[in-house]
Amino acid sequence: NAGVTQTPKFQVLKTGQSMTLQCAQDMNHEYMSWYRQDPGMGLRLIHYSVGAGITDQGEVPNGYNVSRSTTEDFPLRLLSAAPSQTSVYFCASRGNRDRGHMKTEAFFGQGTRLTVV
Amino acid sequence: LAKTTQPISMDSYEGQEVNITCSHNNIATNDYITWYQQFPSQGPRFIIQGYKTKVTNEVASLFIPADRKSSTLSLPRVSLSDTAVYYCLCWKDSSYKLIFGSGTRLLVRP
Repeated sequence: NAGVTQTPKFQVLKTGQSMTLQCAQDMNHEYMSWYRQDPGMGLRLIHYSVGAGITDQGEVPNGYNVSRSTTEDFPLRLLSAAPSQTSVYFCASRGNRDRGHMKTEAFFGQGTRLTVV
Repeated sequence: LAKTTQPISMDSYEGQEVNITCSHNNIATNDYITWYQQFPSQGPRFIIQGYKTKVTNEVASLFIPADRKSSTLSLPRVSLSDTAVYYCLCWKDSSYKLIFGSGTRLLVRP
């Protein structure tokens, strides 16, 4: 059981480039989210999804797109990378209490460390 | 979502009990209180959740007074490996979003 898998672990981009951060979960969770964490700061919610085909904006959505075509995958796309997007990105998934976990028990990936130069 | 306020940092020594208090004056009737732990270079990990009174698991205890305007996470006999950032969240069952604050950075010294 892999849990939440993020790829890549590290990435360096040039300003203006685009890329997709991948996130996959194998727990059949309905809810998935993307967060960014700047050095010494807490996590800020970028986008989230409550199921396949349904996404919504979080606290800091500008410059990012998401899609949820399957329950398992929730990729985050940077449209035109900027130095201000240098951060560590975490993907998380949550299920329903019916499946044995509390709804607030999110499972996080190991993160993607992104540097934009 | 109720705003939470926690100390920015705390220091402790191995073997001591550590209590981290979170203030949530505007907590709603149907909000739960949830705590997460984050080690360096890792994603946060769920520790404990409560609604009122006291909850205990193998990792920590959570104390919530009757007015629910604050909560205290208690870590018994901390070790160096408990050095981490601890986040307090208020969350309602109907919400799809988990919003994290700045957390409390706990440093456990030998």
